[in-house]
Amino acid sequence: KAGVTQTPRYLIKTRGQQVTLSCSPISGHRSVSWYQQTPGQGLQFLFEYFSETQRNKGNFPGRFSGRQFSNSRSEMNVSTLELGDSALYLCASSPLGYGYTFGSGTRLTVV
Amino acid sequence: DAKTTQPTSMDCAEGRAANLPCNHSTISGNEYVYWYRQIHSQGPQYIIHGLKNNETNEMASLIITEDRKSSTLILPHATLRDTAVYYCIVPNRDDKIIFGKGTRLHILP
Repeated sequence: KAGVTQTPRYLIKTRGQQVTLSCSPISGHRSVSWYQQTPGQGLQFLFEYFSETQRNKGNFPGRFSGRQFSNSRSEMNVSTLELGDSALYLCASSPLGYGYTFGSGTRLTVV
Repeated sequence: DAKTTQPTSMDCAEGRAANLPCNHSTISGNEYVYWYRQIHSQGPQYIIHGLKNNETNEMASLIITEDRKSSTLILPHATLRDTAVYYCIVPNRDDKIIFGKGTRLHILP
């Protein structure tokens, strides 16, 4: 079966812009989590959605937001981009909220 | 914060068994231990998980001590493709998976 699909794979944005990243989970998986990975901070938890509701949230500013649709697909949005938002953004899906399968990520570069 | 501690890095000769330790002294009775690995520039990959019994799958074996305060991931015959960062994780009460720094495993030819 298809894995977790993240689009786009690469993205370059300018400071101040906003960006939307997409994640399609494995069919049947209702939980989707998002992580930010930078060389300095490692993998940091952003938020988790389960059945269209945000179930958990990490320690990120309000510029980072997300949502989940009825088909379990999820999007995350970052507004007013800063240079420090340059990172690999990873999405993971799970059928029950654990045992996650990760996508290949979206590499965002803010210039 | 991550609830586990792991060595920063380890070396292992190709073909030998790689034994990666993890301490999780504050683990609760019903919390699982999960192992993931991340090969450079890829998303983390699930390896194995366990509660109290030892577990084995096609990728690795997981040995959990009787008091459950530590565990060891064993890659029986390490290859160069096993070079990666290995994460030992105990999910939070709300099933949130928090990654620590992990162990950078170098397989030496």
